[in-house]
Amino acid sequence: GAVVSQHPSWVICKSGTSVKIECRSLDFQATTMFWYRQFPKQSLMLMATSNEGSKATYEQGVEKDKFLINHASLTLSTLTVTSAHPEDSSFYICSAGGGNNGELFFGEGSRLTVL
Amino acid sequence: GENVEQHPSTLSVQEGDSAVIKCTYSDSASNYFPWYKQELGKRPQLIIDIRSNVGEKKDQRIAVTLNKTAKHFSLHITETQPEDSAVYFCAATISKINAGKSTFGDGTTLTVKP
Repeated sequence: GAVVSQHPSWVICKSGTSVKIECRSLDFQATTMFWYRQFPKQSLMLMATSNEGSKATYEQGVEKDKFLINHASLTLSTLTVTSAHPEDSSFYICSAGGGNNGELFFGEGSRLTVL
Repeated sequence: GENVEQHPSTLSVQEGDSAVIKCTYSDSASNYFPWYKQELGKRPQLIIDIRSNVGEKKDQRIAVTLNKTAKHFSLHITETQPEDSAVYFCAATISKINAGKSTFGDGTTLTVKP
């Protein structure tokens, strides 16, 4: 099946720094990718839709200047958490639809801890 | 917008027993209902899905039923095995191509005791 790879799988950073997370579709082209946030024992919350070659679409309540998304190619989307604070600590997951049947595939997730 | 409620939040069964997880949704425009399994520390994976033109779908030990009138759908796992232990999420969206924008339930932690 189609594979979506996310990197890094975990990252620890100091408060005030920025962190970039990459999401790659390994064997298919993805014009659209999705970024979610998952709190412990909670569901996936869609943050934004990443569109190749154009601006991302953010869900209500998600600060676009805080969570910068870039989808520069058909296989790569990046999420940058700018000026990270402890409350940004979370599990971030990306997804992309691929293949002939359009099944949604998720990345491995990235656990961000902001000290 | 869509609202998906999932019950129970935790479920513990004995190996070999059946497990049922139920979800309700609010938006009558939703027509695609996937179920995802997320093992501890791993990515969610699609295990089964159903479209609104179908009332039931089965894949080996897993089945999903949909009542579009009542706006609820359920996941049934028969002959449970320890490897079925995971968090299961239901979701609802307009169509499969919009699966990335699904509204997810809060998840059910299933524990299968050997």
